[in-house]
Amino acid sequence: QSVLTQPPSASGTPGQRVTISCSGTTSTIGSNTVIWYQQLPRTAPKLLIYINNQRPSGVPDRFSGSKSGTSASLAISGLQSEDEADYYCATWDDSLNGPVFGGGTKLTVL
Amino acid sequence: QLQLQESGPGLVKPSEILSLTCAVSSVSVRSTDYHWGWIRQPPGRGLEWLGTMYSSGSTHYNPSLKSRVTMSVDTSKNDLSLRLSSVTAADTAVYYCASAMVRGPLGAFGVWGQGTVVTVSS
Repeated sequence: QSVLTQPPSASGTPGQRVTISCSGTTSTIGSNTVIWYQQLPRTAPKLLIYINNQRPSGVPDRFSGSKSGTSASLAISGLQSEDEADYYCATWDDSLNGPVFGGGTKLTVL
Repeated sequence: QLQLQESGPGLVKPSEILSLTCAVSSVSVRSTDYHWGWIRQPPGRGLEWLGTMYSSGSTHYNPSLKSRVTMSVDTSKNDLSLRLSSVTAADTAVYYCASAMVRGPLGAFGVWGQGTVVTVSS
């Protein structure tokens, strides 16, 4: 049982916009910034979004993040086949005094 | 460019100690710019934070591991170590080491190793 709640799956067709939600609590997302990781098949996770909506160098602007209250979302516009991956949200947990992750959302590009 | 690479035994027997190493390239493990973390991913499941060694040298572990975990650095080899005692099948996972920038957002791991598979079985 993950601390952050994500839908197990999402899907879209090429060119479409998809969103992935992430729900937490007041001691997790409600008090801290949100991070998103992308995990392509058989690879390590890659930092995709940090501080709710900031993209590291090299991440396309098709990827965007937002946060409101105790929830966050990752949006992917202009969906491409190479976006097919698992996506994890993460944040700091004030109770744990460490990072926590969502259970992951498997994105399928139809 | 900072790179991380994990290595380990692959197969560990139940009740024994799991020992993993993470080789760090291009940055000193004593750098004051980075914290070092370990994260694992059981087969078909999500990510679990195991602990962090801070740039100060202090460590903080996930309480769920109940004192079974120890993290350290070897400055002579410039690598990180993870020890997990009394392993069970539930510890079967891909183990990753990762770095977080000291001046970066809390808990954001920007560089990851490729991961090493550990299976606990007799």
